[in-house]
Amino acid sequence: EVQLVESGGGLVQPGGSLRLSCAASGFTFSSYWMSWVRQAPGKGLEWVANIKQDGSEKYYVDSVKGRFTISRDNAKNSLYLQMNSLRAEDTAVYYCARGGAVVTSAEFDYWGQGTLVTVSS
Amino acid sequence: SYVLTQPPSVSVAPGKTARITCGGNNIGSKSVHWYQQKPGQAPVLVIYYDSDRPSGIPERFSGSNSGNTATLTISRVEAGDEADYYCQVWDSSSDHRGVFGGGTKLTVL
Repeated sequence: EVQLVESGGGLVQPGGSLRLSCAASGFTFSSYWMSWVRQAPGKGLEWVANIKQDGSEKYYVDSVKGRFTISRDNAKNSLYLQMNSLRAEDTAVYYCARGGAVVTSAEFDYWGQGTLVTVSS
Repeated sequence: SYVLTQPPSVSVAPGKTARITCGGNNIGSKSVHWYQQKPGQAPVLVIYYDSDRPSGIPERFSGSNSGNTATLTISRVEAGDEADYYCQVWDSSSDHRGVFGGGTKLTVL
């Protein structure tokens, strides 16, 4: 059974940092693109970043470029999101989602349950 | 950047057909995926590559995509279909970024 379990969320002050983790199981993690998707309270879904199977390609939404870094450790079946210089508008539930194995236009077929990040003083 | 436009809300009576649209410039040339999200839960994929259905998703869910509009159609709507629905594409013209529509709240009357 495919499972994605996020952790690392919490309350952080503006300007602070946080590192999110996503533990994957039930599939060959190293064979898939992986993404982070977030959802601000009461708002819609927003794609944040994705990373290729071997980590050689990474893409970000403009609003987090230069502040967030996506990475992965295929030996540990884990995905990460390092978030620096956090702002109030980064407050959201952050989901880890599995992308495609072959093509980059694939769907998100599995999602984690999400971890809440709250940026507030 | 590429923009997807969805109606904020759609209402339908039980047993009727609901159609949720997703507008975008020449969206027919892209692959569209649809997700269902119920309150307090993670999104669930209901349609991928315009019209394919994952295993476990009822045949009542179908999709189409042409021109500037993609459509998610839910036939014989049930109370349990009440949820938010999001369309999604990949914007290959912009460093391969993911794009979601704003979401549509489906209300079953």
